[in-house]
Amino acid sequence: NAGVTQTPKFQVLKTGQSMTLQCAQDMNHEYMSWYRQDPGMGLRLIHYSVGAGITDQGEVPNGYNVSRSTTEDFPLRLLSAAPSQTSVYFCASKGIGEKLFFGSGTQLSVL
Amino acid sequence: EDQVTQSPEALRLQEGESSSLNCSYTVSGLRGLFWYRQDPGKGPEFLFTLYSAGEEKEKERLKATLTKKESFLHITAPKPEDSATYLCAVQLYGGSQGNLIFGKGTKLSVKP
Repeated sequence: NAGVTQTPKFQVLKTGQSMTLQCAQDMNHEYMSWYRQDPGMGLRLIHYSVGAGITDQGEVPNGYNVSRSTTEDFPLRLLSAAPSQTSVYFCASKGIGEKLFFGSGTQLSVL
Repeated sequence: EDQVTQSPEALRLQEGESSSLNCSYTVSGLRGLFWYRQDPGKGPEFLFTLYSAGEEKEKERLKATLTKKESFLHITAPKPEDSATYLCAVQLYGGSQGNLIFGKGTKLSVKP
């Protein structure tokens, strides 16, 4: 099992550019989510999904869009990147059990 | 406001020197408390879930305990490979079961 796969691992953007962070899981998990991790702060929830076609906002959703067309994929879109979105982004998924499985992260720099 | 506070921010231990990490929480309704381990450049990895005061769980040199206001992660005779950042997180009643509120973490360094 690959688990939760995130691409790319690193990305540099200019202010105003758009991009999509990809996340895929092969565990047939209904729940998926996106967190961002900044120095000196805990992981903060951006958006989450409890199944295909269902998404909702977390603690810090502004500037980000998500969609969930399949169980496997949960992409995170930045429509117009800002320096404040420089961060490490983690995708996570959860099945019936208690564990949240995380991907290895995408390090994003917005100049 | 729901809050999770971890202390200390960083901890340096000699190999074999036991210690404890603290996670205090102020939340509206605790469903569960989670401990994760995070290595540099990687995503968090699940360690334990605790659901009720008095509950304890163990895994190798780690033991997690829970009271009504805080949780401790006890590390007994640590080894250099235990060096990592340890994250505490809470899950609340009323929200999606996957949604967690994280503390800032404790960075543990174990020197040989």
